[in-house]
Amino acid sequence: QQQVKQSPQSLIVQKGGISIINCAYENTAFDYFPWYQQFPGKGPALLIAIRPDVSEKKEGRFTISFNKSAKQFSLHIMDSQPGDSATYFCAASIQFYGNKLVFGAGTILRVKS
Amino acid sequence: DAGITQSPRYKITETGRQVTLMCHQTWSHSYMFWYRQDLGHGLRLIYYSAAADITDKGEVPDGYVVSRSKTENFPLTLESATRSQTSVYFCASRLEDTRGDTQYFGPGTRLTVL
Repeated sequence: QQQVKQSPQSLIVQKGGISIINCAYENTAFDYFPWYQQFPGKGPALLIAIRPDVSEKKEGRFTISFNKSAKQFSLHIMDSQPGDSATYFCAASIQFYGNKLVFGAGTILRVKS
Repeated sequence: DAGITQSPRYKITETGRQVTLMCHQTWSHSYMFWYRQDLGHGLRLIYYSAAADITDKGEVPDGYVVSRSKTENFPLTLESATRSQTSVYFCASRLEDTRGDTQYFGPGTRLTVL
């Protein structure tokens, strides 16, 4: 059972464009929604995270939009750069249960220069 | 250097053999996790540990065994490796800080079972 569904599987964006990755979840008990970035040959690293009490969080060029009623959240990368080319994973967890993360399947982003 | 280290980074083994993947962290984080990464599945939790001598199953625990006698070490053992256990394995530790709740991942171990 895939509790977090992520789309698209892959994405090609021109340099300077906006990259958008979407995730949908099923379990309404989830209360923490992080995004992880993974470069080839490396482990994932936390990029940005949001809790359901806010609808948007921005850190530099990265923004999470959160829609609690639709059970969806998305990552927007503004002014995408070739250095942003990586695999992005959305995830969700229930903080009370030790933050066991449930990951989406991942999106491979390629930013063309 | 501080952080999480995994060893070996690459391992080739044969079906039926026992394999142990090592994970070591220098932060003394309480929580540690083992994930496997497979194309199309993202990362799936195998086992986690809330503290030394406390472990629990994750989403895909079958065929794996863990132990945690010391806070800094969290080895994962495949008792009798199968081809379906060919994967990239990541160890992680958890820190709650001002930024929120972060899991820090090691560099991974690529395991091939022939």
